[in-house]
Amino acid sequence: NAGVTQTPKFRILKIGQSMTLQCTQDMNHNYMYWYRQDPGMGLKLIYYSVGAGITDKGEVPNGYNVSRSTTEDFPLRLELAAPSQTSVYFCASTAVYRGNTGELFFGEGSRLTVL
Amino acid sequence: AQSVTQLGSHVSVSEGALVLLRCNYSSSVPPYLFWYVQYPNQGLQLLLKYTSAATLVKGINGFEAEFKKSETSFHLTKPSAHMSDAAEYFCAVRYNNNDMRFGAGTRLTVKP
Repeated sequence: NAGVTQTPKFRILKIGQSMTLQCTQDMNHNYMYWYRQDPGMGLKLIYYSVGAGITDKGEVPNGYNVSRSTTEDFPLRLELAAPSQTSVYFCASTAVYRGNTGELFFGEGSRLTVL
Repeated sequence: AQSVTQLGSHVSVSEGALVLLRCNYSSSVPPYLFWYVQYPNQGLQLLLKYTSAATLVKGINGFEAEFKKSETSFHLTKPSAHMSDAAEYFCAVRYNNNDMRFGAGTRLTVKP
């Protein structure tokens, strides 16, 4: 049972480069999220999606873009990478419906370094 | 703004001692509450969740948490720490469908 799968696990980028972090889930969850985790800061929400074709900004969306063409996939694109984007990125998903607590299921993370 | 506060970024206990990790949230309406654990180089795993069915919630690995509405708290406890409990623990609160807020995390160290 795969759950939430993220690729790549590690990546080093040069300033100004672009890349896409891939995320796919096989649980038929309607909601998907991208978080970044920085030491001592917990997790900050970058973008989320409530279903295919619908995305919205979270707390820290600047410098990122997302798309959701299918229920399963929710890629995160970094345009013009900056050192401030050095972080660990987590994709998560959940099923949101009446009476469900909506706990998140997380991928294993993607560690990105921008030099 | 809604927030989640975890008191103590680092907690150190001896093996066999009580574990107490503190979490307070800002809300007058009881939301959904969660504790997650993160082992090194891994994603977050659900430890337990508050669903309003009972104020004392039992989770995996012997952890439990008590919801106290009057104190807006959801502290995590375990009677006897084990070396394998060393990890980072996150309290999280779901305020609505789109908004799951996380605390800054507490790193638990267990000394032999």
